[in-house]
Amino acid sequence: GAVVSQHPSRVICKSGTSVKIECRSLDFQATTMFWYRQFPKQSLMLMATSNEGSKATYEQGVEKDKFLINHASLTLSTLTVTSAHPEDSSFYICSAKGLAGGEQYFGPGTRLTVT
Amino acid sequence: LAKTTQPISMDSYEGQEVNITCSHNNIATNDYITWYQQFPSQGPRFIIQGYKTKVTNEVASLFIPADRKSSTLSLPRVSLSDTAVYYCLVGDGDNAGNMLTFGGGTRLMVKP
Repeated sequence: GAVVSQHPSRVICKSGTSVKIECRSLDFQATTMFWYRQFPKQSLMLMATSNEGSKATYEQGVEKDKFLINHASLTLSTLTVTSAHPEDSSFYICSAKGLAGGEQYFGPGTRLTVT
Repeated sequence: LAKTTQPISMDSYEGQEVNITCSHNNIATNDYITWYQQFPSQGPRFIIQGYKTKVTNEVASLFIPADRKSSTLSLPRVSLSDTAVYYCLVGDGDNAGNMLTFGGGTRLMVKP
């Protein structure tokens, strides 16, 4: 099946710094990628939808200036958490849809800890 | 976007069949039903997808009644490694922007 990777798998950063998380579709082209955030014992919450070559669509309550999303190619989307704070510590998961639509393929997630 | 309702948790024992039911009363004509499995600190993994009646693959079966307002994921002879959270999603698989909303999921605990 299709594979989606994320890098890094876990990152620790200091408060006030920025962190970039990469999401790649390894064996298919993804016109649409999604970014989710998941806090412990909770469900996945959609943060934004990104389409290749256009601006991301953010869900209500998600600050677009804080969570910068770039989808510059059909196989790569990045999420940058700017000026991170401890409350941004979470598990960030991306997913991707192929050109023909259909199933979403999820990445393994990135554990962000802000100290 | 159809909202889903699932039991918060379920317990089972190794070797038993487990059935997890999901309610989606507002499912639209074009919506498919998809189930995902998630282990701690991992991304969700696709289990099965269906539109109506019954779908079976190597790991599970999905039963969908005629009105499609609910669906049941059936896991035959579960093992300890099936302990996970199971999510039911409904949406139009061909349109970006659908199948995006995760409900609370069902936390399945398989005991020896």
